[in-house]
Amino acid sequence: DTAVSQTPKYLVTQMGNDKSIKCEQNLGHDTMYWYKQDSKKFLKIMFSYNNKELIINETVPNRFSPKSPDKAHLNLHINSLELGDSAVYFCASSQSHGYQPQHFGDGTRLSIL
Amino acid sequence: SQQGEEDPQALSIQEGENATMNCSYKTSINNLQWYRQNSGRGLVHLILIRSNEREKHSGRLRVTLDTSKKSSSLLITASRAADTASYFCATDTGNQFYFGTGTSLTVIP
Repeated sequence: DTAVSQTPKYLVTQMGNDKSIKCEQNLGHDTMYWYKQDSKKFLKIMFSYNNKELIINETVPNRFSPKSPDKAHLNLHINSLELGDSAVYFCASSQSHGYQPQHFGDGTRLSIL
Repeated sequence: SQQGEEDPQALSIQEGENATMNCSYKTSINNLQWYRQNSGRGLVHLILIRSNEREKHSGRLRVTLDTSKKSSSLLITASRAADTASYFCATDTGNQFYFGTGTSLTVIP
């Protein structure tokens, strides 16, 4: 039983396309996050949602739009993909807001051609 | 620059030896967490130490925190090949959450 699951695992697409990554958690957690990990393994928080409400929106281009239909799901939609968007995107969840221990999905590796 | 920086960047040891990695940060924190990332996988939470704690243990892991020096260390005792992974510290400043640059640990069987 996967606690935090992301789909797809791999995403290869052309520059300029629009794509979405889905995330679901079955832990009953209130808070979900999106992170970006670059090729040097540097991990940066992008968004945080608590009970479907946006809490944190770091300096991220507005081409990135998170959507939380319910507290178990946090999807990431990316418009007009650019070469610099190539990275691994991780979804995570924690019991509540306040940066408690987080459970991570296995990531979505996005490659822009 | 980022809040947490780890040292060393890479560490290679023999199975059975101890591994120590360090994390330094810049501003005051509420807590500091350590995570492990195996190749191609997501991060796994290992341990959380609060700003008013100095040391914490979990199995073969020992974490120390020195808030006066703004640093933390993670010690893995009696290392195993399965401990091969990247290890990250993460700092909670109250309104920000930063991951460190990571230490890549290789345990040679």
